[in-house]
Amino acid sequence: DAGVIQSPRHEVTEMGQEVTLRCKPISGHDYLFWYRQTMMRGLELLIYFNNNVPIDDSGMPEDRFSAKMPNASFSTLKIQPSEPRDSAVYFCASSSTGVLDTEAFFGQGTRLTVV
Amino acid sequence: GESVGLHLPTLSVQEGDNSIINCAYSNSASDYFIWYKQESGKGPQFIIDIRSNMDKRQGQRVTVLLNKTVKHLSLQIAATQPGDSAVYFCAERGGSYIPTFGRGTSLIVHP
Repeated sequence: DAGVIQSPRHEVTEMGQEVTLRCKPISGHDYLFWYRQTMMRGLELLIYFNNNVPIDDSGMPEDRFSAKMPNASFSTLKIQPSEPRDSAVYFCASSSTGVLDTEAFFGQGTRLTVV
Repeated sequence: GESVGLHLPTLSVQEGDNSIINCAYSNSASDYFIWYKQESGKGPQFIIDIRSNMDKRQGQRVTVLLNKTVKHLSLQIAATQPGDSAVYFCAERGGSYIPTFGRGTSLIVHP
């Protein structure tokens, strides 16, 4: 398996624009997590899905943020409209509830810069 | 005003020395603990895990120690190499499958 795949790797956008981050989890994993990492706050959990269903979105900072998982192999995190304070590295991770596969596997991240 | 960045605890060691990275966790109900390594420009990567019914687990050059009495976790790296330079995170998990990450420790290995 190629691991968790995120796109794009880097995104630079102007304030007010819509940004869409994409994630392909590891096949067979039934949990998917979106994290945001900044120097100020470290690694924060934004939202997670189980079997494509959003379970906890209490970490989503504002209504400008939304996430979807239309199927088991794809998820998006959308920011509309984007603001400079959204600049961060966004990670997607997936994990399995299986006994042997309980750690989360992370993608390479998307570095978002909002100017 | 000017924003203040997060200053990670930093451990500097010489190549070949042993490194010990410590982590205090908060949830006494946590039953599973994981150490992650994050290299610059990459996502966190699993190193080693330990369940709460154990107090020690060894991997290749790494050992994790768990002290549930004081809710303390440590990661020991033997014969530290420059490639070990990274930020190390401990993560704990309680009844749900959601790992909660600590702030991280930056390990710098000097050749």
